[in-house]
Amino acid sequence: GESVGLHLPTLSVQEGDNSIINCAYSNSASDYFIWYKQESGKGPQFIIDIRSNMDKRQGQRVTVLLNKTVKHLSLQIAATQPGDSAVYFCAESSNNNDMRFGAGTRLTVKP
Amino acid sequence: ETGVTQTPRHLVMGMTNKKSLKCEQHLGHNAMYWYKQSAKKPLELMFVYNFKEQTENNSVPSRFSPECPNSSHLFLHLHTLQPEDSALYLCASSPGGPAKNIQYFGAGTRLSVL
Repeated sequence: GESVGLHLPTLSVQEGDNSIINCAYSNSASDYFIWYKQESGKGPQFIIDIRSNMDKRQGQRVTVLLNKTVKHLSLQIAATQPGDSAVYFCAESSNNNDMRFGAGTRLTVKP
Repeated sequence: ETGVTQTPRHLVMGMTNKKSLKCEQHLGHNAMYWYKQSAKKPLELMFVYNFKEQTENNSVPSRFSPECPNSSHLFLHLHTLQPEDSALYLCASSPGGPAKNIQYFGAGTRLSVL
């Protein structure tokens, strides 16, 4: 069946470096994507979203890139800080149906 | 604070116990959700309520029983659970309409079934 998944389960970066977290999806009808951040002891928190009519969207220190051709989504975090350490989830939906989540990538920022 | 509050934060129960999880949202949202989060697995959607009406039951065993008395409150009643039901249970709410999929999550209830 259709699924949402991630290339890497863990990512370790140096403080100040840029981070790139990847997500692959298989549903060609997916038209809406969200990135969530989940810190230890907390629930997932919305970071940024993108619709399928866009290739790129920028927020504060974060950028989401969408490549519909290869069904790939990425989250770029600029100048990664210790507070960015968390698990990051991508989620997708199609035709305004309920979101489907990936398993998550754990980002660790080394001082 | 996300505007979604879950209680209790931690719960230990035996397989013969009956307990309830509570979720309250102060965001004026119309939709509420229960998810199960197990280690290294994607979030599993359990139940969806829109305007207090259950619109989705994702093949959840009957030992989990949701209740939504109003748009601000959501309960998950638990009885005769199994050890494999141990997980983090997350509640979320969303506005509905075009923004229905931006969900706001509570911190979850960490459940351990002995």
